[in-house]
Amino acid sequence: SQQGEEDPQALSIQEGENATMNCSYKTSINNLQWYRQNSGRGLVHLILIRSNEREKHSGRLRVTLDTSKKSSSLLITASRAADTASYFCAASYTGTASKLTFGTGTRLQVTL
Amino acid sequence: KAGVTQTPRYLIKTRGQQVTLSCSPISGHRSVSWYQQTPGQGLQFLFEYFSETQRNKGNFPGRFSGRQFSNSRSEMNVSTLELGDSALYLCASSFTGFDGYTFGSGTRLTVV
Repeated sequence: SQQGEEDPQALSIQEGENATMNCSYKTSINNLQWYRQNSGRGLVHLILIRSNEREKHSGRLRVTLDTSKKSSSLLITASRAADTASYFCAASYTGTASKLTFGTGTRLQVTL
Repeated sequence: KAGVTQTPRYLIKTRGQQVTLSCSPISGHRSVSWYQQTPGQGLQFLFEYFSETQRNKGNFPGRFSGRQFSNSRSEMNVSTLELGDSALYLCASSFTGFDGYTFGSGTRLTVV
């Protein structure tokens, strides 16, 4: 299986703190995407980073990509209670680019 | 603009029956993908269609099939339902399939 791994599996922080989630993938990618899912509903696309990019920002989100280590990190700064959700990375592998292979997810709990 | 619409939202079927799920993508999106989400296996790719052609397929038995119409709307069919087919089925659309996907809210299928 090419399914990637994410860690931690669960993360609990207080509002205002930063949250960092890590993702590892298996082989060469076209891009790496991050999604959020609230309570088992549909996923929301957060950010896409291409294989030739090393860092990308979107609002309070910062994503890094290290292709030599086959890993990516998602940083959420100044977390809010509304950020409570599950976060998934999804790899678009070379050769099957339109197919996303999702990681196992990180469940983030942000408390007041 | 309207998002990805999946119907029905909930479905209860009996073992051995068949089921058809529907997905209307965002206007202009030509790529439609289907995913199965279960607590045990996580998010698993079923198939992806682009301009009515299946472009990628996951590792699911032949009981799972899909199609895409000329207006990009897509359906997936599961025949001879098994208890293990109980899951949240997610549809996602994208312009090309190589960019970020917009997901629908899903169809929760329960097989009894």
